[in-house]
Amino acid sequence: QVQLQESGPGLVKPSQTLSLTCTVSGGSISSGSYYWSWIRQPAGKGLEWIGRIYTSGSTNYNPSLKSRVTISVDTSKNQFSLKLSSVTAADTAVYYCARGDSSGSDYWGQGTLVTVSS
Amino acid sequence: DIQMTQSPSTLSASVGDRVTITCRASQSISSWLAWYQQKPGKAPKLLIYKASSLESGVPSRFSGSGSGTEFTLTISSLQPDDFATYYCQQYNSYSLRCTFGPGTKVDIK
Repeated sequence: QVQLQESGPGLVKPSQTLSLTCTVSGGSISSGSYYWSWIRQPAGKGLEWIGRIYTSGSTNYNPSLKSRVTISVDTSKNQFSLKLSSVTAADTAVYYCARGDSSGSDYWGQGTLVTVSS
Repeated sequence: DIQMTQSPSTLSASVGDRVTITCRASQSISSWLAWYQQKPGKAPKLLIYKASSLESGVPSRFSGSGSGTEFTLTISSLQPDDFATYYCQQYNSYSLRCTFGPGTKVDIK
């Protein structure tokens, strides 16, 4: 059974960089034709797609965040990561990682709350 | 840039009701549409992919239809466990981005 787990600081100061890691267990991050995504959800609001990475290293980002987002993958650790720079209070949200392919995003992490505050 | 809309934004229904949620794309996405169910404090759960394919383990009362720009999610007989928020998402490997719809909350009438 594939499992994903987000980890990283729960509190980030304004203007700093938010860094999260998603650890994949129960399967190799390199196997299959999957992409690995980050999605966020501010409290009481809808889901916002941040971006995705293929194990080839190819990435796609949400245009509204593209200038501040970097997603990377470390196949040796079975992890992928999110960096979001110059954060503001508007970046406060629950951040999810997920696995996707042509059949949608079938496995999700439980989500981690990141608060941007001084 | 593909935009997704959903209607209604909120739906009040009773157990046993047939429920239909509509999702529209601003341009054709073929059948690259997924539906997710989310309950408070939980991660979204995949229900339907490729517009009409039922994810393994999902009850058969859920069904999806449509292609191009208009899609529907139907719950044939609403159960107590189905009160949740439902999101559509356009996705495919050829699109530069994936986009979620704004969500439809199904609550108890």
